[in-house]
Amino acid sequence: DAGVIQSPRHEVTEMGQEVTLRCKPISGHDYLFWYRQTMMRGLELLIYFNNNVPIDDSGMPEDRFSAKMPNASFSTLKIQPSEPRDSAVYFCASSSPSHYNEQFFGPGTRLTVL
Amino acid sequence: AQKITQTQPGMFVQEKEAVTLDCTYDTSDPSYGLFWYKQPSSGEMIFLIYQGSYDQQNATEGRYSLNFQKARKSANLVISASQLGDSAMYFCAMRARGGSQGNLIFGKGTKLSVKP
Repeated sequence: DAGVIQSPRHEVTEMGQEVTLRCKPISGHDYLFWYRQTMMRGLELLIYFNNNVPIDDSGMPEDRFSAKMPNASFSTLKIQPSEPRDSAVYFCASSSPSHYNEQFFGPGTRLTVL
Repeated sequence: AQKITQTQPGMFVQEKEAVTLDCTYDTSDPSYGLFWYKQPSSGEMIFLIYQGSYDQQNATEGRYSLNFQKARKSANLVISASQLGDSAMYFCAMRARGGSQGNLIFGKGTKLSVKP
């Protein structure tokens, strides 16, 4: 079975540009999480969805960040405009009631904002 | 406030020996879950083991076991018979508000290096 799929794997952009990160959760999983990992702050949750509905977005740093989940198999995290401090690895993870205690992580997207 | 603390930034262990990675947590929720994830240099996050706050026995998964001491609020990971492939970052995490998926709160991690 395919795991969580994220694209792109690497993204380099210039400050001020719009960045869109994509995630395809594992089929049948009804929870989807977006995390950000930096050296300074470690791993932190940005937002999570249940059945395509955002449940907790308190971790979204500011209005420049937005996330959507238009259907059960796709989610996006958008940064507009991007800033150098947004440089990080962004992980998407998904989980299901049958694997309640495990979040399956994608490979991550390494974002560099110049 | 909910918090996870990993006090060991780095650890060394000789191949085939056991190693304990420390994790303490803080929460006022009576129901919570504790997790350990491994992150090798390739970057992916790999789930290792889970312990629920009401579980009577310590969790075990192969060479991994979780030494859960509820009164001390500690959830140390024990890796037996270390292998070179165990070299990685290890993250302890907690999910409070048990019963819902909620979010995971991660510690800063411990970098484990296994020496041949």
